Amino acid sequence: NAGVMQNPRHLVRRRGQEARLRCSPMKGHSHVYWYRQLPEEGLKFMVYLQKENIIDESGMPKERFSAEFPKEGPSILRIQQVVRGDSAAYFCASCGGGQGHQETQYFGPGTRLLVL
Amino acid sequence: AQTVTQSQPEMSVQEAETVTLSCTYDTSESDYYLFWYKQPPSRQMILVIRQEAYKQQNATENRFSVNFQKAAKSFSLKISDSQLGDAAMYFCAYKSGGAQKLVFGQGTRLTINP
Repeated sequence: NAGVMQNPRHLVRRRGQEARLRCSPMKGHSHVYWYRQLPEEGLKFMVYLQKENIIDESGMPKERFSAEFPKEGPSILRIQQVVRGDSAAYFCASCGGGQGHQETQYFGPGTRLLVL
Repeated sequence: AQTVTQSQPEMSVQEAETVTLSCTYDTSESDYYLFWYKQPPSRQMILVIRQEAYKQQNATENRFSVNFQKAAKSFSLKISDSQLGDAAMYFCAYKSGGAQKLVFGQGTRLTINP
């Protein structure tokens, strides 16, 4: 049973370019979360999605950032016109959404974004 | 809004000894979950242990155990027989009942001295 998968693991972009980060949840999980970790800080929630629905985007910047979780395929976090301050590790997590151990979120290995 | 505080930015312990990492949280909810995650140098987030708020018994996973004090809103992690592989950043996290977001503390960097 494969864990949460993220790609790419490392991404380098120049200022003004677009960054696309992908996340495939664990098999059987229908809830996906994106978190951002700035250097030497804890993880901060960005967005929570279920298939074809954004449930909570309260942590996502209003501009340049968007997320989707289509019916087929991975969840995508898109950052348009990247700036140096977007440099961070972006983690995806998934859970089953039920009770008990289904509540536990399991994390992918993260994508390290570097904006030059 | 819920908050999680880890008051120890760094801790160190001798190999084979016991160390306790502190975590406090603030919430008005009664249904919630608490977690400890480990982040080694690889930066992967690894679940160490979880605790349901409705359970009075402290969770235990091999050398890892928690001291959950619900009234005091405290959730400390005890690592027994520390090993070199335990060196990492440790994050305490809170989650409301249901499929909700995790709220993380600032982390504690644990060093194991051989």
